[in-house]
Amino acid sequence: AQKVTQAQTEISVVEKEDVTLDCVYETRDTTYYLFWYKQPPSGELVFLIRRNSFDEQNEISGRYSWNFQKSTSSFNFTITASQVVDSAVYFCALSEANFGNEKLTFGTGTRLTIIP
Amino acid sequence: KAGVTQTPRYLIKTRGQQVTLSCSPISGHRSVSWYQQTPGQGLQFLFEYFSETQRNKGNFPGRFSGRQFSNSRSEMNVSTLELGDSALYLCASSFNSPNYEQYFGPGTRLTVT
Repeated sequence: AQKVTQAQTEISVVEKEDVTLDCVYETRDTTYYLFWYKQPPSGELVFLIRRNSFDEQNEISGRYSWNFQKSTSSFNFTITASQVVDSAVYFCALSEANFGNEKLTFGTGTRLTIIP
Repeated sequence: KAGVTQTPRYLIKTRGQQVTLSCSPISGHRSVSWYQQTPGQGLQFLFEYFSETQRNKGNFPGRFSGRQFSNSRSEMNVSTLELGDSALYLCASSFNSPNYEQYFGPGTRLTVT
């Protein structure tokens, strides 16, 4: 069975600080996909990134970066120079690649608060 | 490009009743997934439809069902409502699979009394 653990329930940082959100996953599949979604106070989940299990390259997109390490089954997300607009709940998710099992298993989310 | 729309946005029902929620995906998207979000259980996958066929299914009882129409619009139905069905129901669409970027709607907040 798939499982995603986001051990950090809530994090608060002062604006402009860097912050890392942790994600640890479990799966028996060799082919899978990992995602990060953001849920701002408005409620709509917003896609941030997708990574397949064969691509361990770290990715940077502006102030956001992701570190994927298969050896530790982790897919961590770092926000550099945080801003108030980054305040939201962030979800890590996992999906198998097998037909009939293409469904996202979400972690419990990390509520990030950026203090001005 | 219009986003994913869900109707109604809010709904109050009584135990034992049934409810139908609607989702209109982004134009051109053929995959529609439904999720339930509650404070206790978090975000849970209900089912996914592609070309009018249920392709993936989560671990929910048979009271939860859905369908997809030829224009990719989707509905989900919950029969014999229970208090525990109170939740935010989210619909998401993608071009062809939940394993790609999904666009989520604002959700329908269902309260069962």
